[in-house]
Amino acid sequence: GQNIDQPTEMTATEGAIVQINCTYQTSGFNGLFWYQQHAGEAPTFLSYNVLDGLEEKGRFSSFLSRSKGYSYLLLKELQMKDSASYLCAVLSGGYNKLIFGAGTRLAVHP
Amino acid sequence: GAVVSQHPSRVICKSGTSVKIECRSLDFQATTMFWYRQFPKKSLMLMATSNEGSKATYEQGVEKDKFLINHASLTLSTLTVTSAHPEDSSFYICSARALPAYTFGSGTRLTVV
Repeated sequence: GQNIDQPTEMTATEGAIVQINCTYQTSGFNGLFWYQQHAGEAPTFLSYNVLDGLEEKGRFSSFLSRSKGYSYLLLKELQMKDSASYLCAVLSGGYNKLIFGAGTRLAVHP
Repeated sequence: GAVVSQHPSRVICKSGTSVKIECRSLDFQATTMFWYRQFPKKSLMLMATSNEGSKATYEQGVEKDKFLINHASLTLSTLTVTSAHPEDSSFYICSARALPAYTFGSGTRLTVV
């Protein structure tokens, strides 16, 4: 079976750093994605990890440990516009299906 | 970057009617597209994988006769919700892969009254 877990909600302060964790158990693994989604809009791509380690892209970084089935998304210098849902998704299966976790709703406060 | 165009963005239909949603890859070819459904404040649930020139592959629990998928060309996939009922009201969104990312359409908000 497939199981992707991430916290339901998180809050943080503008200017701070927040880490959103994701653990997964899937049949077959071809990589892990993080997406940002504002309410009523399409998800937008943030990062893709296929090898262990940290990928840094501006204020956002993503980490992957395949042996632990674990990833995190790190957001630095938080801004109000970062208030959104953050979706962890695992690429698995022969068709490379992207399977999403339930998402983490992040609220950034002044 | 890669763009996936989806329309309509919103549709209201009466119970019992059918609704077609189109998903186009604008600047790349997509032999495979994916259709998702999203309930309010919930994540995306994969419904089916659309394959160009062959039958779609449906996820467990998704009625293939209810949600008809056609992928007639390398740039177009359509999802038809047949004999729609209020419980089919949801946000439907398509996706295609343009390496390395999966790009999503803007989604279709379906309301069945």
